[in-house]
Amino acid sequence: GQSLEQPSEVTAVEGAIVQINCTYQTSGFYGLSWYQQHDGGAPTFLSYNGLDGLEETGRFSSFLSRSDSYGYLLLQELQMKDSASYFCAVDSNYQLIWGAGTKLIIKP
Amino acid sequence: DVKVTQSSRYLVKRTGEKVFLECVQDMDHENMFWYRQDPGLGLRLIYFSYDVKMKEKGDIPEGYSVSREKKERFSLILESASTNQTSMYLCASSFYNSGTRETQYFGPGTRLLVL
Repeated sequence: GQSLEQPSEVTAVEGAIVQINCTYQTSGFYGLSWYQQHDGGAPTFLSYNGLDGLEETGRFSSFLSRSDSYGYLLLQELQMKDSASYFCAVDSNYQLIWGAGTKLIIKP
Repeated sequence: DVKVTQSSRYLVKRTGEKVFLECVQDMDHENMFWYRQDPGLGLRLIYFSYDVKMKEKGDIPEGYSVSREKKERFSLILESASTNQTSMYLCASSFYNSGTRETQYFGPGTRLLVL
């Protein structure tokens, strides 16, 4: 079967750093994507890792280790507006296979 | 900016009714997708389409059908709505690029309640 595992909920303090992990087991793998979804909103694309290593986009970074079937999303200098659900998704030959999402709760 | 629109934000239907959910994208994307999203389950793929008049089953196609008569429009049909189809329905479109491959752009979603 195909599966992605990520924590259901993570809590952090405003201004801090938080890491959301994702492990995957899929029949095909071309890359790992991250999406953000605010309550009542649509998922929006954050980042993509096709190769091992770290990709940085402003306060957000994403990491991939293909040998470990593992990736993470790192959010720095957390702001209240970062409160949302974050989904990892495996690019498996023109389809995305989605994790169940991690709800990020940020406390002031 | 890519724009994906869905015909309704909220919809209430009765059990047994035929329900049509419409999705339109304005970026000439080849690929279009229908998902349903339920708490704790993430996004589950119902159907997708890579071209006009083409459709492929996703993970949970039972009770649904789709239509893609024009490139920009992808419709989801619930042949006979049931209460277990109460959910948030998300449409997405995508194109392939060598940098980020499969980046999907989502519509705002339709929250469907079947009574």
